[in-house]
Amino acid sequence: AQTVTQSQPEMSVQEAETVTLSCTYDTSESDYYLFWYKQPPSRQMILVIRQEAYKQQNATENRFSVNFQKAAKSFSLKISDSQLGDAAMYFCAYSIGSGGSNYKLTFGKGTLLTVNP
Amino acid sequence: EAGVTQFPSHSVIEKGQTVTLRCDPISGHDNLYWYRRVMGKEIKFLLHFVKESKQDESGMPNNRFLAERTGGTYSTLKVQPAELEDSGVYFCASSQDWGRVTDTQYFGPGTRLTVL
Repeated sequence: AQTVTQSQPEMSVQEAETVTLSCTYDTSESDYYLFWYKQPPSRQMILVIRQEAYKQQNATENRFSVNFQKAAKSFSLKISDSQLGDAAMYFCAYSIGSGGSNYKLTFGKGTLLTVNP
Repeated sequence: EAGVTQFPSHSVIEKGQTVTLRCDPISGHDNLYWYRRVMGKEIKFLLHFVKESKQDESGMPNNRFLAERTGGTYSTLKVQPAELEDSGVYFCASSQDWGRVTDTQYFGPGTRLTVL
């Protein structure tokens, strides 16, 4: 069974600084996708960034980038120039990449990020 | 465009009672997923609909949980009878196309269920 582990229950960062959230996963599949979702306080969870396992290049979305280490099964999220609006619970998630239509997500426990002004 | 909506936002019930949660996906989205987060634990998959058909209900905890998706539109998740361990936040998500993992799952705000 696939598992996703986020070892940092809480993290904090100063506004304008950079922070890295850790995520490791375990799977025997070769084709899969990894995601970071963000849930701001009292708001809906939204997709931040997605990485296809077959792609060696790390995904980036503006101030958000990932460090995908496939051999190590590691998928960390780097937030540059942190803003107050980045404060949220961040979830790392996994999905198989093919072989069916059910792309259910397997989540980690989440990391609560606080941004200090 | 309206997002995924869920009703109610909170529900507090006594053990043994019945509760029905509702999810309205984004219009036109064939895929609908239910997830649950129990306090302090991971968000866990419950089941997946494609239109009105259940594709995968392997995550449903037991037969006290019944999910339906009438006409491939909104979905309900009924818990009967509710137990203490059913407390948690129930999320619904929808995505557009069947068979494409790259379709983003859009999440609703969740229903917080408390069973006393």
